[in-house]
Amino acid sequence: EVQLVESGGGLVKPGRSLRLSCTTSGFSFGDYAMSWFRQAPGKGLEWVGFTRSKPYGGTTEYAASVKGRFTISRDDSKSIAYLQMNSLKTEDTAVYYCTRGPSNMAFDLWGQGTMVTVSS
Amino acid sequence: EIVLTQSPGTLSLSPGERATLSCRASQSVSSNYLAWYQQKPGQAPSLLIYAASSRATGIPDRFSGSGSGTDFTLTITRLEPEDFAVYYCQQYSTSPRTFGQGTKVEIK
Repeated sequence: EVQLVESGGGLVKPGRSLRLSCTTSGFSFGDYAMSWFRQAPGKGLEWVGFTRSKPYGGTTEYAASVKGRFTISRDDSKSIAYLQMNSLKTEDTAVYYCTRGPSNMAFDLWGQGTMVTVSS
Repeated sequence: EIVLTQSPGTLSLSPGERATLSCRASQSVSSNYLAWYQQKPGQAPSLLIYAASSRATGIPDRFSGSGSGTDFTLTITRLEPEDFAVYYCQQYSTSPRTFGQGTKVEIK
């Protein structure tokens, strides 16, 4: 079964760090770009960033709102993608989703999400 | 940045009716890399349509996408009870990968 499962969310104080994990199964992880999105409570969807697959350089791109604070990485041997979040702000409070893609099929698989609350 | 504007904000319809959702881009979407997602309360979004008009795996044929360039449409021919949800369009051709603000399809 194809699956993406996020973990690592929780309550954290402003200025602190948190690392989210996206554990995948059921597909050839190393062949795909992997992305992170987020959704603040009651709001729409926001792209956070993505990492390309190694054949495409493994490079990363980020939204302006997180660039310099968040880092996306991947461990192809474990089929896991990570989102390292530093210098967290209250406005980073959201459900964070891991997805497969982008590809020509957009973002075709989504995890169930993990909640991150940034509050003092 | 490509800004996507969805209309209407809310669509009030009855089961069996036809739903037409619009998504307009501030500039042309390269390769028609425009997707539609459905999101139900408390759930993750799920992909319905990619490349403007291709249905994702397992999506029933009452869902169809059309359009090119800057104007795109999602049509649901006959609304089923499970189709009442929020729908988002997204362009995935260039960074930042942006979404529209969503259209809520609610039961009339």
